[in-house]
Amino acid sequence: QQQVKQSPQSLIVQKGGISIINCAYENTAFDYFPWYQQFPGKGPALLIAIRPDVSEKKEGRFTISFNKSAKQFSLHIMDSQPGDSATYFCAASIYWGTGANNLFFGTGTRLTVIP
Amino acid sequence: EAEVAQSPRYKITEKSQAVAFWCDPISGHATLYWYRQILGQGPELLVQFQDESVVDDSQLPKDRFSAERLKGVDSTLKIQPAELGDSAMYLCASSRDSPNTEAFFGQGTRLTVV
Repeated sequence: QQQVKQSPQSLIVQKGGISIINCAYENTAFDYFPWYQQFPGKGPALLIAIRPDVSEKKEGRFTISFNKSAKQFSLHIMDSQPGDSATYFCAASIYWGTGANNLFFGTGTRLTVIP
Repeated sequence: EAEVAQSPRYKITEKSQAVAFWCDPISGHATLYWYRQILGQGPELLVQFQDESVVDDSQLPKDRFSAERLKGVDSTLKIQPAELGDSAMYLCASSRDSPNTEAFFGQGTRLTVV
């Protein structure tokens, strides 16, 4: 069962445009929501993350919007650049009191930014 | 900058053969994850260690897959026998043991079973 649902599967945006990727989850025990960026042949790398007690977090051109009641969160990339072309994964994590985090990924969105 | 090391980067093996992957996490990271990523999909957790103990292997096909982290540092993931459907990227990640910490990923091992 997919713990985190992500859409769209692929996205094409003009340079300078806004890229929006959406995710939804069901398990209310999730307490941390990171976004990872993956380039071909590389492992995923953390881009930005949010906790459920915050509705929005912005870092440079990247913003996470979080709607706890709807159990949805999204990534907005402002002024999208060709260098942003990559696959983006949303994820959700549960922290166990014993110390470990359990991390689940969405299915990914392949973003292509056209010059 | 500290990195998660994985080897080999690429592996081609014949169906029914045994194959093993190695991961060395970032020093001081108690949690180690093995994920499988099929082309075009998100990483799926296979097994998670906290130090040398398995904390989640519910998605590990135990009839053919095994994983160990004997001294709580580096880890080995083994497949025996390999099947065509095992062709995928195998990613190792590590993180510190505290809430909401970043998982750092290695570059992965691309397995092709022929």
